[in-house]
Amino acid sequence: DAGVIQSPRHEVTEMGQEVTLRCKPISGHNSLFWYRQTMMRGLELLIYFNNNVPIDDSGMPEDRFSAKMPNASFSTLKIQPSEPRDSAVYFCASSPRALAYEQYFGPGTRLTVT
Amino acid sequence: QQQVKQSPQSLIVQKGGISIINCAYENTAFDYFPWYQQFPGKGPALLIAIRPDVSEKKEGRFTISFNKSAKQFSLHIMDSQPGDSATYFCAASSSGANSKLTFGKGITLSVRP
Repeated sequence: DAGVIQSPRHEVTEMGQEVTLRCKPISGHNSLFWYRQTMMRGLELLIYFNNNVPIDDSGMPEDRFSAKMPNASFSTLKIQPSEPRDSAVYFCASSPRALAYEQYFGPGTRLTVT
Repeated sequence: QQQVKQSPQSLIVQKGGISIINCAYENTAFDYFPWYQQFPGKGPALLIAIRPDVSEKKEGRFTISFNKSAKQFSLHIMDSQPGDSATYFCAASSSGANSKLTFGKGITLSVRP
């Protein structure tokens, strides 16, 4: 199995631009999680899906952030417009439905907003 | 409100020594306690986990000790090696539908040769 796949691995963009991060979960996993990691705040859960349905988006910092999961093998996290304080590493993780606590993380996308 | 708190914030250990990382939780509904290990440039990876019906679980050089009454659990790394240098996160989860993990802030372990 290829594991969780994220793209791009690195993204540098200017303030105000739209950013789209992509994730392909492990085949057969029913839960998908988006996290943000910074030195100041550590690992923060932004949103998670079960069977492609958003369950809890209370961690999404503001309306500039949105996430979709159109099918079981693909999810996106979009930031529009981006701001310098959005600079962070964004991780996607997936887990089997019955083992939502056993999460498999992707390699992350390092986002820099200038 | 931080539901899972780790200590210390950083740790330096000599090769061959014992590394001990502590974690405290608040929510008594938590019933699964994993530790994740993260190397620079990588995503966190599940290292070892425990349920509250046991007080200790050992996998190789890694041991989790669990104290339900104190709502604390700890990770012990025996014979620490430079390759163990990483960031360690404790986490907690409750059972049931739509469960999620609550992570601690992580601690950076450095094992010196």
